[in-house]
Amino acid sequence: DSGVTQTPKHLITATGQRVTLRCSPRSGDLSVYWYQQSLDQGLQFLIQYYNGEERAKGNILERFSAQQFPDLHSELNLSSLELGDSALYFCASSVGNSLIYEQYFGPGTRLTVT
Amino acid sequence: QQQVKQSPQSLIVQKGGISIINCAYENTAFDYFPWYQQFPGKGPALLIAIRPDVSEKKEGRFTISFNKSAKQFSLHIMDSQPGDSATYFCAAIDRDNYGQNFVFGPGTRLSVLP
Repeated sequence: DSGVTQTPKHLITATGQRVTLRCSPRSGDLSVYWYQQSLDQGLQFLIQYYNGEERAKGNILERFSAQQFPDLHSELNLSSLELGDSALYFCASSVGNSLIYEQYFGPGTRLTVT
Repeated sequence: QQQVKQSPQSLIVQKGGISIINCAYENTAFDYFPWYQQFPGKGPALLIAIRPDVSEKKEGRFTISFNKSAKQFSLHIMDSQPGDSATYFCAAIDRDNYGQNFVFGPGTRLSVLP
């Protein structure tokens, strides 16, 4: 158990809808990273927040957004969903704000768009 | 230039054998090369990582070999065990600009036969 929690575990929704994925980092970790894992695109880094501020933005679509709250949990919002958004979404946390700090991954949220 | 090539796609090894997975990159801005291990139904976990100022790094049965001139790096798993059966991802990261330069390989599914 990495200490990172993600909810929900599974999510099934229709095209055009909006969903919110939630991540709680390990106690003491200030950074949260979001990743997408799909059969087509493989693993992709989406975005990182550090202590409430956006730190780095990767291959995140404009339809997606994220935020980190004062209690350090993070939410990834996916809107105008398309079939191609079906994927596993992982968050990871680390203590520091750069990639030299080891990331601990959560169990993921499996999103299915029908 | 952003792609990281990984081979083989799948690998079957007998218990006690050596597992070798290779990765190659093009972008010379990459300066951090981690390997991740992912078991079915779980998030990835950092296994071992190397910076390009060293040619080899060993942690237990896991060794990364790095060839900067060839822009290639590989993971060697010595004395492979059935518990090592998982999917392995290499990654290449530009630590100063990882929002734009953070790329995963497509993964190698390793099966270690008892």
